Amino acid sequence: DIQMTQSPSSLSASVGDRVTITCRASQGIRNNLAWFQQKPGKAPKSLIYAASSLQSGVPSKFSGSGSGTDFTLTISSLQPEDFATYYCQQYNSYPLTFGGGTIVEIK
Amino acid sequence: EVQLVESGGGLVQPGGSLRLSCAASGFTFSDHYMDWVRQAPGKGLEWVGRTRNKAYSYTTEYAASVKGRFTISRDDSENSLYLQMNSLKTEDTATYYCARVYGINWSDAYFDSWGQGTLVTVSS
Repeated sequence: DIQMTQSPSSLSASVGDRVTITCRASQGIRNNLAWFQQKPGKAPKSLIYAASSLQSGVPSKFSGSGSGTDFTLTISSLQPEDFATYYCQQYNSYPLTFGGGTIVEIK
Repeated sequence: EVQLVESGGGLVQPGGSLRLSCAASGFTFSDHYMDWVRQAPGKGLEWVGRTRNKAYSYTTEYAASVKGRFTISRDDSENSLYLQMNSLKTEDTATYYCARVYGINWSDAYFDSWGQGTLVTVSS
């Protein structure tokens, strides 16, 4: 199975900050990587696919990069609605696997 | 607008069975692969399994943790996805989400829509 390791597991940031979350795959997954946002008590929301492509309706303050084993999700200017947990997920091979999540909290 | 609505969750004893449903609307359900993903209370996301579409003979894939106990099926005439869960264990307690898979090739087989989830509690 491909292990997905996210870092940090949590971070505290202020409104307006630029935030970067890292996701590392235990083996190469090309660019078959997605990012999701989840708020407490809510379903995950798809943000990014193919490592860097924004889902329809997702604001451009979110961006993704990477290929192979190392990926990043960046939020350019953190807003109150962005405080949530973020997950990466590989869809390169079965079983599909998720990272452990990064909690983005208000400083 | 794509809508996915899960139902069927509840309290079940260890060793028991439960069947979850996911009603789909707003898109051509029969074209898409569909997945189940679960989340134990306070934990991260875990992929459960997938059903492919008719063109791929409705074949399925499962996580090792549920293989042999859970069965994913679909009824394209009813635009519905199902998860039959047997021999339930306390560790199966989770919110179960259905998710639409955008495409059928690995390069576009990502989730683009999620249901709101249904909670399954396995406890005596």
